[in-house]
Amino acid sequence: AQSVAQPEDQVNVAEGNPLTVKCTYSVSGNPYLFWYVQYPNRGLQFLLKYITGDNLVKGSYGFEAEFNKSQTSFHLKKPSALVSDSALYFCAVRINFNKFYFGSGTKLNVKP
Amino acid sequence: NAGVTQTPKFRVLKTGQSMTLLCAQDMNHEYMYWYRQDPGMGLRLIHYSVGEGTTAKGEVPDGYNVSRLKKQNFLLGLESAAPSQTSVYFCASSYLPDRGNSNQPQHFGDGTRLSIL
Repeated sequence: AQSVAQPEDQVNVAEGNPLTVKCTYSVSGNPYLFWYVQYPNRGLQFLLKYITGDNLVKGSYGFEAEFNKSQTSFHLKKPSALVSDSALYFCAVRINFNKFYFGSGTKLNVKP
Repeated sequence: NAGVTQTPKFRVLKTGQSMTLLCAQDMNHEYMYWYRQDPGMGLRLIHYSVGEGTTAKGEVPDGYNVSRLKKQNFLLGLESAAPSQTSVYFCASSYLPDRGNSNQPQHFGDGTRLSIL
């Protein structure tokens, strides 16, 4: 079965410290992977996507994601967290061009 | 450029009532989707459409119907609302994947918060 998993419901980090939000996937064929962010009472906003061949993908707001084929992971990272990064983060995988499966989401709390 | 617009933003229904949620996009996207978001479960796909006049079932289609009579609009209907359908509903749209860019992201509306009493 094709799926995506986010093992942490919540991640806490101090402002200025690096952050990592984890995502693992299970798909057949080439993975089409995405990260989205959701602020309270808003829809999901696209952050970045995996491009075949680039193991480190850069996206919006200073975020990047590291693709690891052997570990089937696509972890979201940022070198220095901001309080304004506090939000709900979703990893997603696209299947068959027209279906997306989302992880259960990870709440990121950045404390001053 | 409004992007993806959902109406209404909030609604409270009684069990058994019907209603239609409207999604409109102004980006000329071919694909449109309806999701529901429940705590701890992420987003689950209800129905989707790959073009005007076509619809298909997603993961959780029971109790919902959809229509896409115009390319820019995607309607989600609840014929007889049940408390289990209390949720936040999101519409999304995206371009058709093509040879030059097969990894098109989705664009989301801000959601409709629906409570069924």
